[in-house]
Amino acid sequence: DVKVTQSSRYLVKRTGEKVFLECVQDMDHENMFWYRQDPGLGLRLIYFSYDVKMKEKGDIPEGYSVSREKKERFSLILESASTNQTSMYLCASSSTGLKGEKLFFGSGTQLSVL
Amino acid sequence: RKEVEQDPGPFNVPEGATVAFNCTYSNSASQSFFWYRQDCRKEPKLLMSVYSSGNEDGRFTAQLNRASQYISLLIRDSKLSDSATYLCVVRDYGGSQGNLIFGKGTKLSVKP
Repeated sequence: DVKVTQSSRYLVKRTGEKVFLECVQDMDHENMFWYRQDPGLGLRLIYFSYDVKMKEKGDIPEGYSVSREKKERFSLILESASTNQTSMYLCASSSTGLKGEKLFFGSGTQLSVL
Repeated sequence: RKEVEQDPGPFNVPEGATVAFNCTYSNSASQSFFWYRQDCRKEPKLLMSVYSSGNEDGRFTAQLNRASQYISLLIRDSKLSDSATYLCVVRDYGGSQGNLIFGKGTKLSVKP
């Protein structure tokens, strides 16, 4: 079964810190995604990547950047964390084409910025 | 802004009940439709895709009405384990993986 692993389940950071959220998938998927999920707002796409070194902005990229140096790893970077970035962050992956209809999610990282 | 709308609930139903959720989408060119299930404090998982002809998986039936731009999920003989939030997901025209739009979810609580 596909496994999407996020490096931390809970993370507490201070305002202004640089934060790295790591995500690794083990099924050779081309596509990887970063979402954040907030009560009342649902899942919102931050960035996605459809290939190594490729990235596309999602709906809310401001304050975030991403890195995809290897196919299996997709990192989300908060250059200078702010309190409004306190959220649940979910990484997901999928393959390309018809088989790519299914998103596989990691178990999430609950980030608190103080 | 392209939208996917769901009734947030909660739907509180007794075990054994039949419950139905609807979801409306704003973009008539939307191509693919899905229901995901999310348990409390867990990640979303695909429950089922929704096909034009409708599809059934055990106690779950999904239907698509393109004319009225809504999809539905019917759960028969509800179990306690069906308690979760059900997310409606729509892929917009173009098929890019980045064009998945998530509804905010409908919460279901099945009581003994």
